[in-house]
Amino acid sequence: AQTVTQSQPEMSVQEAETVTLSCTYDTSENNYYLFWYKQPPSRQMILVIRQEAYKQQNATENRFSVNFQKAAKSFSLKISDSQLGDTAMYFCAFTSNTGKLIFGQGTTLQVKP
Amino acid sequence: DVKVTQSSRYLVKRTGEKVFLECVQDMDHENMFWYRQDPGLGLRLIYFSYDVKMKEKGDIPEGYSVSREKKERFSLILESASTNQTSMYLCASSLAETGSPSYEQYFGPGTRLTVT
Repeated sequence: AQTVTQSQPEMSVQEAETVTLSCTYDTSENNYYLFWYKQPPSRQMILVIRQEAYKQQNATENRFSVNFQKAAKSFSLKISDSQLGDTAMYFCAFTSNTGKLIFGQGTTLQVKP
Repeated sequence: DVKVTQSSRYLVKRTGEKVFLECVQDMDHENMFWYRQDPGLGLRLIYFSYDVKMKEKGDIPEGYSVSREKKERFSLILESASTNQTSMYLCASSLAETGSPSYEQYFGPGTRLTVT
């Protein structure tokens, strides 16, 4: 069975600093997609960043970047220059071309002023 | 922008009641999904639909049913609500893509259901 694990239930970071959220997954597939979603307090979940497994280059979106280690089945999210608006729950998710997402347990990130 | 709306943000129902949660998307997406979100468990897929009148069970379908009579609308039904169905329910939609799909799902704001 395919699984996604986020081992950090809660994290905090000072404004303007860098934080890394961890995610590991398990699959026997070779072609798949990985995602990080952000759920701000009382607001809708939105996509932060996406990585296609066949691409070796790590995805980046402005202050957000990933460290994708395919052999280790690891997919961490780095947030640089953290802002108060980054306070949210972050979910790692996986799909192997079915369109169905498998989510991790989530990590609550608090950015402190 | 894609917009996914859900009929209620907060809902309180009594045990044994039949509950309808409605979801509407305005971007002509083929795929629609219902999840429940619980602390420490993340999001778990209840049901999904690839097309009108089509439905597939997800990981936790017990106690739930769905209806998709129109492409833009996907309803989740709790036939006889129980206290263990108290949760946050999220609806999502996505395109049925081929070639180089993105598989990005767009989420509604969620319905926090309390069953007493």
